[in-house]
Amino acid sequence: EIVLTQSPGTLSLSPGERATLSCRASQSVSGNYLAWFQHKPGLAPRLLIHGASSRATGIPERFSGSGSGTDFILTISRLEPEDFAVYYCQQYGVSTYTFGQGTKLEIK
Amino acid sequence: EVQLVQSGAEVKKPGESLKISCKIPRHTFTTYWIGWVRQTPGKGLEWMGIIFPADSDMRYSPSFQGQVAFSVDRSKSTAYLQWSSLKASDTATYYCARSGVLGMDVWGQGTTVTVSS
Repeated sequence: EIVLTQSPGTLSLSPGERATLSCRASQSVSGNYLAWFQHKPGLAPRLLIHGASSRATGIPERFSGSGSGTDFILTISRLEPEDFAVYYCQQYGVSTYTFGQGTKLEIK
Repeated sequence: EVQLVQSGAEVKKPGESLKISCKIPRHTFTTYWIGWVRQTPGKGLEWMGIIFPADSDMRYSPSFQGQVAFSVDRSKSTAYLQWSSLKASDTATYYCARSGVLGMDVWGQGTTVTVSS
């Protein structure tokens, strides 16, 4: 099973700042099938990025994904108030998928 | 707009059985996998497994193998997640989601399960 480790655990930033979230895999993610999700309390998770770098339908351009192999990054170029949430990476390149443990993005 | 609609919240006692549902649009039922995800405050999101409704092919996470069961009813375009004997540690919110090459892109609204004596 591929283990995904996200860092940092908590990120404290202000609106307008740039956020950089990391996701490291214990082995190479097949086909770069790596997704990022945003999760807010009481709501279903929202797919932001698939295939490591492709924005999902309707996702603002300030969200971008990069990386390959074992190291992946989610960047939010300029934080809006609604971006403060928990973010998860997920690999779906092998028959059993896994999530990272999450990064909480909080308002500083 | 594609929607997955899940059954309502449940309150159960330890040892009881439970089956929750996820209603799936017909096109999704025959083309995509349906995944199940557990969400708890302490452990975040956990991938439980997936089922292909068209032929009931399924894969379980090692953490959930033998603990839950997936099934589908093609006549009702519905997928199910089932427990035969609930534990307090099964208390969580459970999501179903459409799963394909673009990832888990459409999610149900979630079903909250509370297991308490």
